[in-house]
Amino acid sequence: QAALTQPASVSGSPGQSITMSCTGTSSDIGIYEYVSWYQQHPGKAPKLLIYDVTYRPSGASDRFSGSKSGSTASLTISGLQAEDEGDYYCSSYSSSSTVVFGGGTRLTVL
Amino acid sequence: QLQLQESGPRLVKPSETLSLTCTVSNVRMTTTTYYWGWVRQSPGKGLEWIGSIFHTGKTSYNPSLRSRVTISIDTSESQFSLSLSSVTTADTAVYYCASMMHGLIRTFDIWGQGTMVTVSS
Repeated sequence: QAALTQPASVSGSPGQSITMSCTGTSSDIGIYEYVSWYQQHPGKAPKLLIYDVTYRPSGASDRFSGSKSGSTASLTISGLQAEDEGDYYCSSYSSSSTVVFGGGTRLTVL
Repeated sequence: QLQLQESGPRLVKPSETLSLTCTVSNVRMTTTTYYWGWVRQSPGKGLEWIGSIFHTGKTSYNPSLRSRVTISIDTSESQFSLSLSSVTTADTAVYYCASMMHGLIRTFDIWGQGTMVTVSS
């Protein structure tokens, strides 16, 4: 059960839009519509941003949106703000009722 | 609102068993709305799913940890627990308990604050 692949870092300026990727395989992202995205600030627990590829939980900002194409999922943040700086993790349901996370992407707001 | 809180020893010796408990507040654990799970994060590293349990006792574990992990549940005490045997320094991490929404092993929606466990002699 290999981890999903995320870029180590991305950056953007306030007000811009950025997109980060999460690449899996035909055992997880490629066949299931169960990708989630989490935001984590230093010393804090992760916070759910997106589930089931495109759905936002109650309370999550609509500046965050998710999509998927083949075995790659993406998270887009529009209108980048300073408080968006932090680490972002994707996860996916995988075969045999398991969950796999990505290695995380560090977002820097310039 | 659903809340979760981890508790347990912060220091464990190599080769011993790590044991943590997660106390759930403001929801009946017998609800079919949630699975309950454990996730860990080694210092400076990413998240790793450890395993999950339903109120019926049905479990699912990370294949890489399956031989050492046991997750149990006590709905009468509103708690579920993690046991990780034969620990090494590689098991040093922040351990989070969390609920998994929709009663499915897919998405962690509510997280505990996490507890740092150090494996050291």
